[in-house]
Amino acid sequence: DAKTTQPTSMDCAEGRAANLPCNHSTISGNEYVYWYRQIHSQGPQYIIHGLKNNETNEMASLIITEDRKSSTLILPHATLRDTAVYYCIVRALHNAGNMLTFGGGTRLMVKP
Amino acid sequence: DVKVTQSSRYLVKRTGEKVFLECVQDMDHENMFWYRQDPGLGLRLIYFSYDVKMKEKGDIPEGYSVSREKKERFSLILESASTNQTSMYLCASSSYDRANYGYTFGSGTRLTVV
Repeated sequence: DAKTTQPTSMDCAEGRAANLPCNHSTISGNEYVYWYRQIHSQGPQYIIHGLKNNETNEMASLIITEDRKSSTLILPHATLRDTAVYYCIVRALHNAGNMLTFGGGTRLMVKP
Repeated sequence: DVKVTQSSRYLVKRTGEKVFLECVQDMDHENMFWYRQDPGLGLRLIYFSYDVKMKEKGDIPEGYSVSREKKERFSLILESASTNQTSMYLCASSSYDRANYGYTFGSGTRLTVV
């Protein structure tokens, strides 16, 4: 699976959009981009995933560049409860064991 | 609501004890995973299983074993607990049929070995 690079930490004001970037320059054509988040003392939570088209669900939007070498997770109106570590992961749909490899993630701090 | 349930939220064990961490999922998922999470090291895969009675080593299997006798249950076993196994342990499951939708994680078990 391709590796990802994310900033270690970011701040965001409550009510504003949080834009979390991720670089995955070695992504292969069959690899999806997944985003998870982990709130303190809880297990990671799935947010969204995509292949090449932009995606939106009730939690967030995912913007993938045309060359697929980077992506941005957007939380449109961040709340204090969005404070968490956000993980960007790329993986092939049918890799061995269907497993995810977590990197260091971005620690998002939403401030009042 | 679909769930992955880990039997204990907090656990304290003595060095040398045999420790069982239990994980149950109610989603009929084929795949189950055990991770540990430590500050500064992120989530590291210990073992995973893609079918009943099947198991594969992850990145850090030493000192651990697993058991998957039933599809819904995946147990992590610390044969002889040591202090360096003090950690947060996370269980997850996923399905090939719903592979697009990623993993579902349990709430974690914080194990302290004294």
